[in-house]
Amino acid sequence: DQQVKQNSPSLSVQEGRISILNCDYTNSMFDYFLWYKKYPAEGPTFLISISSIKDKNEDGRFTVFLNKSAKHLSLHIVPSQPGDSAVYFCAASAGSNDYKLSFGAGTTVTVRA
Amino acid sequence: DSGVTQTPKHLITATGQRVTLRCSPRSGDLSVYWYQQSLDQGLQFLIQYYNGEERAKGNILERFSAQQFPDLHSELNLSSLELGDSALYFCASSVGSGNEQFFGPGTRLTVL
Repeated sequence: DQQVKQNSPSLSVQEGRISILNCDYTNSMFDYFLWYKKYPAEGPTFLISISSIKDKNEDGRFTVFLNKSAKHLSLHIVPSQPGDSAVYFCAASAGSNDYKLSFGAGTTVTVRA
Repeated sequence: DSGVTQTPKHLITATGQRVTLRCSPRSGDLSVYWYQQSLDQGLQFLIQYYNGEERAKGNILERFSAQQFPDLHSELNLSSLELGDSALYFCASSVGSGNEQFFGPGTRLTVL
């Protein structure tokens, strides 16, 4: 049962433009959401997170938006750079009682020069 | 570099065999998590240890077991291996039972 879904397996964007990655979840107990970035042959690297008490969190070029009523979150990368080409995973946890992360299947981002 | 180390990097073995994967968490982290990533899939949570004790369990097969030692390193034991166990196995650590987990580079297991 996939509780975190990333419905777009891939995204191609031109350098300098905005990348928007989407993620949906089904478990209403999730209250903490994270994005990880993964390069080939490496482990996932933590990118940015958001708690369910917020609807937006920003860190440099990366902004995560959370819409709790729609059970949807998105990651915006502005501007996109060639080094952003990687697989991006959305993850969620149920917080204080359950810290295990449930991951989406990932979206492969390719930034074109 | 996340500070989490995993050995070995690659492991090739035959069906029916048993292997042990090792993980050293970041300095100061008490929690260790194990995840499995099969081909073209997201990471699936297997098990969590906190300061030597099992804290949470996911869809971990009975043929798999893990432990966390007093020095906080962890081992994942996989036995009676099947072809379908071929996957990337990641270890992650966090300070407490915290939300931000830091991942190691993974062990790629190939069962022939």
